[in-house]
Amino acid sequence: GQNIDQPTEMTATEGAIVQINCTYQTSGFNGLFWYQQHAGEAPTFLSYNVLDGLEEKGRFSSFLSRSKGYSYLLLKELQMKDSASYLCAVRPGNTGGFKTIFGAGTRLFVKA
Amino acid sequence: ETGVTQTPRHLVMGMTNKKSLKCEQHLGHNAMYWYKQSAKKPLELMFVYSLEERVENNSVPSRFSPECPNSSHLFLHLHTLQPEDSALYLCASSQDRNGKQFFGPGTRLTVL
Repeated sequence: GQNIDQPTEMTATEGAIVQINCTYQTSGFNGLFWYQQHAGEAPTFLSYNVLDGLEEKGRFSSFLSRSKGYSYLLLKELQMKDSASYLCAVRPGNTGGFKTIFGAGTRLFVKA
Repeated sequence: ETGVTQTPRHLVMGMTNKKSLKCEQHLGHNAMYWYKQSAKKPLELMFVYSLEERVENNSVPSRFSPECPNSSHLFLHLHTLQPEDSALYLCASSQDRNGKQFFGPGTRLTVL
């Protein structure tokens, strides 16, 4: 089967750094996405990785290792507004690319 | 505001009712998606349309019927739903199969 695993919840302190891990098992691989979803709102795109390595975008970075089926999202200088769910999503490689498999999301709580 | 709008935002219906959810994207994208999001479960892909042609149908019960009259509009027609169909229904769009997806705010559906 195909599945994505990520921790259910994490708590971190304002100003700190937090790393949210994601592991996946899929039939092929055609890219990994991270989305942020605040309660009651739509998911919004954060990052995209298709090659191994680190992609940095401001306070957010995302890392991918295809051989290990592993990614992480790194959030630096945490702010209260970063409290949200973070969704890891993978495009398998055997479906023509339209199908995207989502993890259940990691709910991040940022405390003062 | 992501450029994807959905109506209605909230819907309560009985099991014998017929209703429709509407999605419109203002981004010029060529692919549109319907997802179901239940509490503490991953986003589930329901349908994908590319250039107004259905390219994914993820074993969705026939009581859900999608329609894509043009590349900007997507509907989900509902009839004889079950209480377990209560969930947040999200619409998304992307440019091509590898593009990041932009999500609408969702329709919160409650089936009594």
